[in-house]
Amino acid sequence: DAGVIQSPRHEVTEMGQEVTLRCKPISGHNSLFWYRQTMMRGLELLIYFNNNVPIDDSGMPEDRFSAKMPNASFSTLKIQPSEPRDSAVYFCASSIGLGTQYFGPGTRLLVL
Amino acid sequence: DQQVKQNSPSLSVQEGRISILNCDYTNSMFDYFLWYKKYPAEGPTFLISISSIKDKNEDGRFTVFLNKSAKHLSLHIVPSQPGDSAVYFCAASERTNAGKSTFGDGTTLTVKP
Repeated sequence: DAGVIQSPRHEVTEMGQEVTLRCKPISGHNSLFWYRQTMMRGLELLIYFNNNVPIDDSGMPEDRFSAKMPNASFSTLKIQPSEPRDSAVYFCASSIGLGTQYFGPGTRLLVL
Repeated sequence: DQQVKQNSPSLSVQEGRISILNCDYTNSMFDYFLWYKKYPAEGPTFLISISSIKDKNEDGRFTVFLNKSAKHLSLHIVPSQPGDSAVYFCAASERTNAGKSTFGDGTTLTVKP
């Protein structure tokens, strides 16, 4: 199995630009999670989906952030407009059942 | 309010000795606990878990202990190997909440040859 796939692996953009992060979960997994890791806040859950439906988006920092899961094999996290404080590593994870999540390699985002 | 705390940011041990990583939680609704290991430039990798109905779970060199009354869990690695050097995250979840996990800040383990 290829594991969770994230793209791009690195993204450098300028403040105000739109950023789209992509995730392909492990086939057969029915839950998908978006996390953000920063030095200040550690690893924090932004949003998670179950069977393609957003269940909890309480971690999404503000309206500039949006996430979609149009089908079981694809999800996007969009930031529009991006700001320097959005610079972080963004992880996608998927799971089957409860608790055990398999993480992708992450997208390192730098907003200048 | 941080519900899962790993109070030691770092730990250094000698190869072959025991590594003990600690984690405290405050939410009494948590009933499932996990440890993840993370190498630089990679995502966290699931290591071992424990349900609140148990107080110990063992998998090879890794053992997790759960003390529900103290709201404390620990990960023991015996014997420690240089390849175990990584950041270890403790996570806790409520099984009724579709797997939403709350993570601690992590402990960086360094195993010296």
